[in-house]
Amino acid sequence: DTGVSQDPRHKITKRGQNVTFRCDPISEHNRLYWYRQTLGQGPEFLTYFQNEAQLEKSRLLSDRFSAERPKGSFSTLEIQRTEQGDSAMYLCASTQPPKTEAFFGQGTRLTVV
Amino acid sequence: KQEVTQIPAALSVPEGENLVLNCSFTDSAIYNLQWFRQDPGKGLTSLLLIQSSQREQTSGRLNASLDKSSGRSTLYIAASQPGDSATYLCAVKNSGYALNFGKGTSLLVTP
Repeated sequence: DTGVSQDPRHKITKRGQNVTFRCDPISEHNRLYWYRQTLGQGPEFLTYFQNEAQLEKSRLLSDRFSAERPKGSFSTLEIQRTEQGDSAMYLCASTQPPKTEAFFGQGTRLTVV
Repeated sequence: KQEVTQIPAALSVPEGENLVLNCSFTDSAIYNLQWFRQDPGKGLTSLLLIQSSQREQTSGRLNASLDKSSGRSTLYIAASQPGDSATYLCAVKNSGYALNFGKGTSLLVTP
């Protein structure tokens, strides 16, 4: 296993379009997290899954954002009606209890024009 | 709400110097603290994880310490190399699920 994988690496979209990102965690990790990082800032937590259950969502996750992890393996993050303020790096991470070290993917860089 | 601060925001040193990056946090009831490296436009690479019961962790030229009572952690990099140039992020985990990140220290090591 090569670690957390995210696809695509880069996405340019026009304002108002919908976009979907995918994250494949480390295979034995049952906990998956999404974060957003804007330029010059640290990552900010968006949402968390344990297996297929979405257990926590940040207030940053507006109604236009939805995340799924249907079979407890890969996850998708969809943004509807994108806005320029959605431009950011979207990072996925996974952990496996009892170990608490978080491993991150390479991120998806979203640019909304 | 946990606030994580990293000082300095940027640092430039000549190759070979030893250096210290600082991280402070406001809520000392942490579960663990993790240091990451981030290269431009890339994701995060985990460097060191310190559990709340530990005082320090070492990996190669890196040493991270934790003083929970004072809300501080330091990342010590020995004999810096140009390849160490990156942004270093400190993240704290409290009882919830999320990591709380600082804004990072941007390090440039010049040959």
